[in-house]
Amino acid sequence: SQELEQSPQSLIVQEGKNLTINCTSSKTLYGLYWYKQKYGEGLIFLMMLQKGGEEKSHEKITAKLDEKKQQSSLHITASQPSHAGIYLCGADTWGKLQFGAGTQVVVTP
Amino acid sequence: NAGVTQTPKFQVLKTGQSMTLQCAQDMNHNSMYWYRQDPGMGLRLIYYSASEGTTDKGEVPNGYNVSRLNKREFSLRLESAAPSQTSVYFCASSEDRVHEQFFGPGTRLTVL
Repeated sequence: SQELEQSPQSLIVQEGKNLTINCTSSKTLYGLYWYKQKYGEGLIFLMMLQKGGEEKSHEKITAKLDEKKQQSSLHITASQPSHAGIYLCGADTWGKLQFGAGTQVVVTP
Repeated sequence: NAGVTQTPKFQVLKTGQSMTLQCAQDMNHNSMYWYRQDPGMGLRLIYYSASEGTTDKGEVPNGYNVSRLNKREFSLRLESAAPSQTSVYFCASSEDRVHEQFFGPGTRLTVL
């Protein structure tokens, strides 16, 4: 089965600073999804990447899938309190999603 | 559109009791999923239904059963609850199996 490792497990960032979360797969990624979860709520879809070298941006969040398609990164520029939450990556595995354990992001004033 | 709805939001059971978690979506999606989320383990797939009339086991199906009642509804049943089933349960749906999934708000279940 495909395993996804997210790093770091958690991070604390000062408001206005940048942050990066990584998602590394044990196998080639054919579809990589990023979700955000606020405490006690469901997951919200952020972005999907399929092609090696692909990069997508939405507002201040940018996600990339490396050329070899085994690692993805999520970068947030000038973090805001609204960016706090848990970020999860999910790999498309034969039509099902295999998730990483998540990265908890705390944004301090 | 309500998206994906789940009931109940919270539930406390005693060991051995049974219950059904309900899930409905109003997006005309073909595929539906049940996940459980435990601290430090991300989301794990319990069962899924690729289309109306079909269901398949996911990563952690033991102790659970599902029913795809119609295209809108997908229920998860615990026949004899165990403390190991204490978790947060999420239902999700997608247009098809390779599309983005939309999640419900979750059900927090505690088994004593």
